[in-house]
Amino acid sequence: DTAVSQTPKYLVTQMGNDKSIKCEQNLGHDTMYWYKQDSKKFLKIMFSYNNKELIINETVPNRFSPKSPDKAHLNLHINSLELGDSAVYFCASSQGRGNSPLHFGNGTRLTVT
Amino acid sequence: AQSVAQPEDQVNVAEGNPLTVKCTYSVSGNPYLFWYVQYPNRGLQFLLKYITGDNLVKGSYGFEAEFNKSQTSFHLKKPSALVSDSALYFCAVRDSGNTGKLIFGQGTTLQVKP
Repeated sequence: DTAVSQTPKYLVTQMGNDKSIKCEQNLGHDTMYWYKQDSKKFLKIMFSYNNKELIINETVPNRFSPKSPDKAHLNLHINSLELGDSAVYFCASSQGRGNSPLHFGNGTRLTVT
Repeated sequence: AQSVAQPEDQVNVAEGNPLTVKCTYSVSGNPYLFWYVQYPNRGLQFLLKYITGDNLVKGSYGFEAEFNKSQTSFHLKKPSALVSDSALYFCAVRDSGNTGKLIFGQGTTLQVKP
């Protein structure tokens, strides 16, 4: 009965490859997010979708493309992976964009070699 | 632009002692403030939030936070620390631009020693 689930948990790949991370939430929330946590633990927003509509694209390289097939899913596809993409990627969801908290998945640790 | 700052990279406290993890914010308008905790290899867990009303907000696991408008602070507190409270703590503010995003501080590692 996990609320926000991401797959895979770990992803190790070589430079230049293309990979995807999937996220699903069963909370009935209408807004979903992708955050990147770097090696210094700093959290930065990447994308946000509300009811399948993109509302945040925070100066992320074009190699990153989010896709939201429905409001319970927000996937992240990354083309031509680079060493600097190594990080932990967190999916989150919330109901609305006001005072409700974000609920986070357990993260996907991406390592690019 | 909105921001939060956590001035301490690490806080050390002995088990049973009170703990405080500091956070200051900079926003235009009324802030929506949050505290999260991250255990190793886990996602962020919501602890508590301040929206309006009482300046002392109670949250999960015995944590509370005090909102101080004049000092633009939202410090996290607990009267008696447990070793199991050792983790990374994040303060965050909701973006006022109706995007819903949370803007996080840089995080504070809490180390509780037996």
